[in-house]
Amino acid sequence: GAVVSQHPSWVICKSGTSVKIECRSLDFQATTMFWYRQFPKQSLMLMATSNEGSKATYEQGVEKDKFLINHASLTLSTLTVTSAHPEDSSFYICSARALRQGPYEQYFGPGTRLTVT
Amino acid sequence: GENVEQHPSTLSVQEGDSAVIKCTYSDSASNYFPWYKQELGKGPQLIIDIRSNVGEKKDQRIAVTLNKTAKHFSLHITETQPEDSAVYFCAASITDSWGKLQFGAGTQVVVTP
Repeated sequence: GAVVSQHPSWVICKSGTSVKIECRSLDFQATTMFWYRQFPKQSLMLMATSNEGSKATYEQGVEKDKFLINHASLTLSTLTVTSAHPEDSSFYICSARALRQGPYEQYFGPGTRLTVT
Repeated sequence: GENVEQHPSTLSVQEGDSAVIKCTYSDSASNYFPWYKQELGKGPQLIIDIRSNVGEKKDQRIAVTLNKTAKHFSLHITETQPEDSAVYFCAASITDSWGKLQFGAGTQVVVTP
């Protein structure tokens, strides 16, 4: 149980285009989902917290107009990187908080490797 | 805000030996401490966690200890195997309505046969 999927697993796009990444909780409902980015050999950096049915809360320094987050249902959150630039190339990972497992645990998706050319 | 420090950054152990990773946190209100294992190109996997009302927790070859007074917690892996090679992250959280995690910098563990 507590499986989180992400799609796509990797994507290459041209500079200036937009890319959408999906995060799904497959076997549980997640009222809260989180989006992280991770650069090579570094730790996870929280970008935003997403609650179902409400606007996402962004961490300081993260441009909300560039990284659009939508949490449309209890099992789906999406991250759209708008007008992507090469510096947006990174590993993007989502996580979901599984209330049925207890109020604490966060389960992570497999990540999406974004390369902007 | 919360700050989590993790040591060492790299750890090389012989197969069968034990590995210990230590983390310290700054916010005394933190009450949930998970450990994640991340293999190359994959997302982090929750391997064990501990809450502030418990001092120690064990799951087969993995154990975590927590010292609330000193604000530090540790991961212990016994009888290490090559498949234990990965990056391990500690994290701390205050279990409010959102439960945001603050991660340590990570420890690259290499288990040599």
